[in-house]
Amino acid sequence: DAGVIQSPRHEVTEMGQEVTLRCKPISGHDYLFWYRQTMMRGLELLIYFNNNVPIDDSGMPEDRFSAKMPNASFSTLKIQPSEPRDSAVYFCASSYSDRVNTGELFFGEGSRLTVL
Amino acid sequence: QKEVEQNSGPLSVPEGAIASLNCTYSDRVSQSFFWYRQYSGKSPELIMSIYSNGDKEDGRFTAQLNKASQYVSLLIRDSQPSDSATYLCAVNVAYKYIFGTGTRLKVLA
Repeated sequence: DAGVIQSPRHEVTEMGQEVTLRCKPISGHDYLFWYRQTMMRGLELLIYFNNNVPIDDSGMPEDRFSAKMPNASFSTLKIQPSEPRDSAVYFCASSYSDRVNTGELFFGEGSRLTVL
Repeated sequence: QKEVEQNSGPLSVPEGAIASLNCTYSDRVSQSFFWYRQYSGKSPELIMSIYSNGDKEDGRFTAQLNKASQYVSLLIRDSQPSDSATYLCAVNVAYKYIFGTGTRLKVLA
C-alpha cells in the first residue's frame, strides 16, 4: 500500500495568501485526522473526520482555517488568509474503525508550511 | 495545564544505558496511552500502547502506567544511537489522540 500521501511537501508563501494542503488517506481507512506540529506547542489535533464527516473541529484555531473531505480518498486543509504564526508542519493521519483506538494512526510525511 | 505533559529534554544517555521517559496526563477519563517515536524530519510512528496499570514489555521497550498518579513512562533498555529521536506520549479520549510536546532523547556512542 502507498501509505498516506500529502502534498505539497514544502510550501513557502507570503502573508495573506491562501494555502491549500492535500491528503490522500490509505484506501479503506474511514478515519482521517489533521494535526499541526510546532516546537512550542507540539502535535495539535486540528480536526478529524469519520466516513468523510467532520466529527470534531474544536482544534481548528480560527475561521481562517477550514477542512473538507469530499470523498473517502481526499481531504484538504485550507488557510485563508495565511499568517506567519501558521508556519508549522501539518500532518495528515488515517486509521480504520477496528484499530482507531489502538494507537494505529498512519501518518503522512507532512507538509512543511512557511509563511513569510 | 496541558492535557499531556512531558519534559522536552534533551535527555542524554550513554549507549547501553537505560533511558527513562516520563509523561503525565490530566484527564482521569483517559483509558488508552501510547508512545510514538519521531525521528528528525519524519512522521510519528507507534512503538507502544498500554491500557492497564502496571508494566508492558516489548523487546527493549517497557511501558509503565499508573492511573492513580496519572503517570505513564517508557523505559528503553540497552539504548542504541539509533534510538535517538523525539518520543511523544499520547492519550486517547473518544477517538481524539492528544499528544505531549515530546522528549528528545540522545544516545551517545
